[in-house]
Amino acid sequence: DQQVKQNSPSLSVQEGRISILNCDYTNSMFDYFLWYKKYPAEGPTFLISISSIKDKNEDGRFTVFLNKSAKHLSLHIVPSQPGDSAVYFCAASSGAGSYQLTFGKGTKLSVIP
Amino acid sequence: EAGVTQFPSHSVIEKGQTVTLRCDPISGHDNLYWYRRVMGKEIKFLLHFVKESKQDESGMPNNRFLAERTGGTYSTLKVQPAELEDSGVYFCASSQHPVTDTQYFGPGTRLTVL
Repeated sequence: DQQVKQNSPSLSVQEGRISILNCDYTNSMFDYFLWYKKYPAEGPTFLISISSIKDKNEDGRFTVFLNKSAKHLSLHIVPSQPGDSAVYFCAASSGAGSYQLTFGKGTKLSVIP
Repeated sequence: EAGVTQFPSHSVIEKGQTVTLRCDPISGHDNLYWYRRVMGKEIKFLLHFVKESKQDESGMPNNRFLAERTGGTYSTLKVQPAELEDSGVYFCASSQHPVTDTQYFGPGTRLTVL
């Protein structure tokens, strides 16, 4: 039973345009959300996070939006660059005595020059 | 600052053999986590150490897996005896504080059980 779902296995975007990656979760106890980026043969690299008390967090070209009522978050990358091509994982934790991250299956982003 | 390191990067063993994976966290990080990604599936939590103590081992699949962190520095994950379904990539992560700090991941060890 997947608690974090990334329903799009892949996404292709033209360089310079916006990339939107989506993530849904089912566990109401999740209160901290993260996006990781992963290149082949490397470990996941932290990108950006958001606490459940916020609905938006921005860091340079990356913005994460959280809609708690819909149990949905999204990562926006503007403008997209070829170096952004990677697998993006959405992750969540509850922090309620357990700090394990629950991951989605990932979305492979390809930014076309 | 050196990142999380893992050894070996790849391991190929036969079913029934024993394998030990090692993780060196970022210096000063008390929290160390093991995760596993089986082919085609999501990255799944295995366990969490705070210094040398097991804080949460709810993700460990069965008693063929043994994790240790003697002295609260590096950690080992032993699989004995290995089964075919243990194949996957084993990631280690560390953080300074479990709640507020990001977990930083190592490059992973790819384990193949034949």
